[in-house]
Amino acid sequence: SQKIEQNSEALNIQEGKTATLTCNYTNYSPAYLQWYRQDPGRGPVFLLLIRENEKEKRKERLKVTFDTTLKQSLFHITASQPADSATYLCALDVNYGGSQGNLIFGKGTKLSVKP
Amino acid sequence: ETGVTQTPRHLVMGMTNKKSLKCEQHLGHNAMYWYKQSAKKPLELMFVYNFKEQTENNSVPSRFSPECPNSSHLFLHLHTLQPEDSALYLCASSQDLRTSFLEQYFGPGTRLTVT
Repeated sequence: SQKIEQNSEALNIQEGKTATLTCNYTNYSPAYLQWYRQDPGRGPVFLLLIRENEKEKRKERLKVTFDTTLKQSLFHITASQPADSATYLCALDVNYGGSQGNLIFGKGTKLSVKP
Repeated sequence: ETGVTQTPRHLVMGMTNKKSLKCEQHLGHNAMYWYKQSAKKPLELMFVYNFKEQTENNSVPSRFSPECPNSSHLFLHLHTLQPEDSALYLCASSQDLRTSFLEQYFGPGTRLTVT
């Protein structure tokens, strides 16, 4: 079965630096991969979706890459700010080519940006 | 009111009680989801509804019973729960299950404690 791993449980960086979070998956490549942000006691918030035929996606200070050879996605936050501190979740579809919308999530990486 | 709302936000119930969680989305979406989030574990998909029809039951015990009377409302009926069912229950919605509309919008969750 498909498994997802977010390598770092926690990541601490200095304000202004670039944060890089990693998401690895086993088995088949998903049709798409998503990144969410979750703050304590709140539901996840959708950030970016990248499809299997896309290498890179950007949105303001966020960048996502998708390498189907390495079975890996990288999530970058440039010029990081303390307000970026949160848990970031990677998610991908369970049934490639089948029923859509069934996501599996990684455990998340808790990012702390220090001023 | 906008987005996805969930009530109650907190619930404490005994193992013999019957209670219901409510979710309402104001986004005009047609797909709705229930997730369970336990401490130190990834989000687990429980149920998926698309246009009021259940499309996924992720091997959830029968003590959890979903109901989707229309595309805007989703309920999770609970009875004879176990202490290990204590978790954050999250509702989400998406446009539908077609490939182009797969980002999910989450509610704030219901923090459930089973005593």
